[in-house]
Amino acid sequence: ETGVTQSPTHLIKTRGQQVTLRCSSQSGHNTVSWYQQALGQGPQFIFQYYREEENGRGNFPPRFSGLQFPNYSSELNVNALELDDSALYLCASSLLTSSTDTQYFGPGTRLTVL
Amino acid sequence: ILNVEQSPQSLHVQEGDSTNFTCSFPSSNFYALHWYRWETAKSPEALFVMTLNGDEKKKGRISATLNTKEGYSYLYIKGSQPEDSATYLCAPSTGGGNKLTFGTGTQLKVEL
Repeated sequence: ETGVTQSPTHLIKTRGQQVTLRCSSQSGHNTVSWYQQALGQGPQFIFQYYREEENGRGNFPPRFSGLQFPNYSSELNVNALELDDSALYLCASSLLTSSTDTQYFGPGTRLTVL
Repeated sequence: ILNVEQSPQSLHVQEGDSTNFTCSFPSSNFYALHWYRWETAKSPEALFVMTLNGDEKKKGRISATLNTKEGYSYLYIKGSQPEDSATYLCAPSTGGGNKLTFGTGTQLKVEL
């Protein structure tokens, strides 16, 4: 086990709604990254938070937003849900942000948008 | 957008067979390559982080090599076991940070 937890495990929403996903990072880690895995694809980088500040963003619209708290846990918020947002959302924590730092992943939250 | 390709997409082997997969990535602006193993209903598990051209890493029966000049990495599994059944993902990190770009993975099924 990586020590990274995510909640909820599964979630069903309807188009237009808003959703919040949560992630608790591994003890001592101050960096959290979020990824989206759509069916048949590899995980795609959404954004990363380092010490409560956004530290890079992938090719996702502004309706995808995030927060990192002082205890380094994190939230991913998605507004105005679309059918294509249906995916597995993974968070990963790491100690630092360098290219060689291993990211430790949680088990993911499966979001279904109807 | 970084283009990361993995082949084959899926593989069925018999217990005891040795196997290998390929990860191809752009060689420019390369910093490191990460390999992960992802079993169904579990979290992706980090296998290796590789940085240098010619690097070779080993973990039990699994090993990996890296060619940064031509932009590819091989993952080898010696004497496959049913517990090796998983999806194997590679992800280069670029731009000096650890924001990963994943390939679509190779799904391995080891049968008795």
